[in-house]
Amino acid sequence: GAVVSQHPSWVICKSGTSVKIECRSLDFQATTMFWYRQFPKQSLMLMATSNEGSKATYEQGVEKDKFLINHASLTLSTLTVTSAHPEDSSFYICSATISNQPQHFGDGTRLSIL
Amino acid sequence: GENVEQHPSTLSVQEGDSAVIKCTYSDSASNYFPWYKQELGKGPQLIIDIRSNVGEKKDQRIAVTLNKTAKHFSLHITETQPEDSAVYFCAASRRVDSNYQLIWGAGTKLIIKP
Repeated sequence: GAVVSQHPSWVICKSGTSVKIECRSLDFQATTMFWYRQFPKQSLMLMATSNEGSKATYEQGVEKDKFLINHASLTLSTLTVTSAHPEDSSFYICSATISNQPQHFGDGTRLSIL
Repeated sequence: GENVEQHPSTLSVQEGDSAVIKCTYSDSASNYFPWYKQELGKGPQLIIDIRSNVGEKKDQRIAVTLNKTAKHFSLHITETQPEDSAVYFCAASRRVDSNYQLIWGAGTKLIIKP
């Protein structure tokens, strides 16, 4: 089946630093990748939709300058949390898909900002 | 906008019994309904999905039913096993520009009692 790899799985860093999370589709070319944020015991909250070669579309309330998304190839998208603060601590998950096909998810990145 | 309601929030069943999780959606234009299983600390895993031109789909112990008129769809797990314990999410697709986003239910924590 479709495999999506997300890296790193866990990162702890100091307040003010920037953190980059990678999402790769390993066995298919993903035209679209989605970035989600999930708080404990809650559902997934869509942050942005990213199409290869285009600027990401951010959901209302998500700061595009805070959460930089790059989708330079059909197999890689990155999310950079810039100048991270404790309130950015969360579980970030990416998914990849082709057109109207099912979304396949990575295993998430647990981000902890001290 | 589109809304997906999921019930119950927690479901505890005896091993070997059946489990049923129900969802309703509001947008009649939705035509794709996946179910995901999320284990602790991992990303969601697609377990079954159904499109609006089908009323029922089965895959071994898992089945999904869809009632388009009532805008209901349900997940049925038979002969439950301890490894079925997880959080289950339903979702409904909606088209936004050229992309298909998922609107998520709130999740159901399924507990299988040995």
